[in-house]
Amino acid sequence: KNQVEQSPQSLIILEGKNCTLQCNYTVSPFSNLRWYKQDTGRGPVSLTIMTFSENTKSNGRYTATLDADTKQSSLHITASQLSDSASYICVVSKDGYKLSFGAGTTVTVRA
Amino acid sequence: ETGVTQTPRHLVMGMTNKKSLKCEQHLGHNAMYWYKQSAKKPLELMFVYSLEERVENNSVPSRFSPECPNSSHLFLHLHTLQPEDSALYLCASSAETGNDRGYTFGSGTRLTVV
Repeated sequence: KNQVEQSPQSLIILEGKNCTLQCNYTVSPFSNLRWYKQDTGRGPVSLTIMTFSENTKSNGRYTATLDADTKQSSLHITASQLSDSASYICVVSKDGYKLSFGAGTTVTVRA
Repeated sequence: ETGVTQTPRHLVMGMTNKKSLKCEQHLGHNAMYWYKQSAKKPLELMFVYSLEERVENNSVPSRFSPECPNSSHLFLHLHTLQPEDSALYLCASSAETGNDRGYTFGSGTRLTVV
């Protein structure tokens, strides 16, 4: 079983609407949690990174939250744009370079 | 561009061919990585290099052969691949293997084995 589970697997939203993606993890001990955006045919690009002591981190219209007690994180996209269509990947770092990846949530924004 | 460049972007090869993927980084990082990304699956770590020495090989079949001639370049040599090896191959680099500071991915090579 994967140590990082994301939901939903995919979603479709209308331009201008908000959405929230979920990430549950079992990785322990925990160093940091990142959210990546991966456009089709491109490599993942980091959106946010949080240590266990941080509850929230924003990057423009993207806001990530973290509850280290329940081992849950969310990524909220506000006022979605067509360019937000991508796969969003939750990545948990245990130590050093050993990263645990979720399978990603594919977001499609429609006009 | 992220500072990690991969070539070619797309590759189609037969099962008897030999080809190589190239990765180059200009970020001053000392660690480089190869990942395999299949549809709907999490990224799978294949190889890790630190200061040109391989520090991890995650049970990858011998038909994949990595090479790291210096800290800026990483290759993945391919031979006698199978159709199930078709995937997006991503290269990444970081400051050092002791931590994930500055972890940066390339744009990937889309490999199709026919």
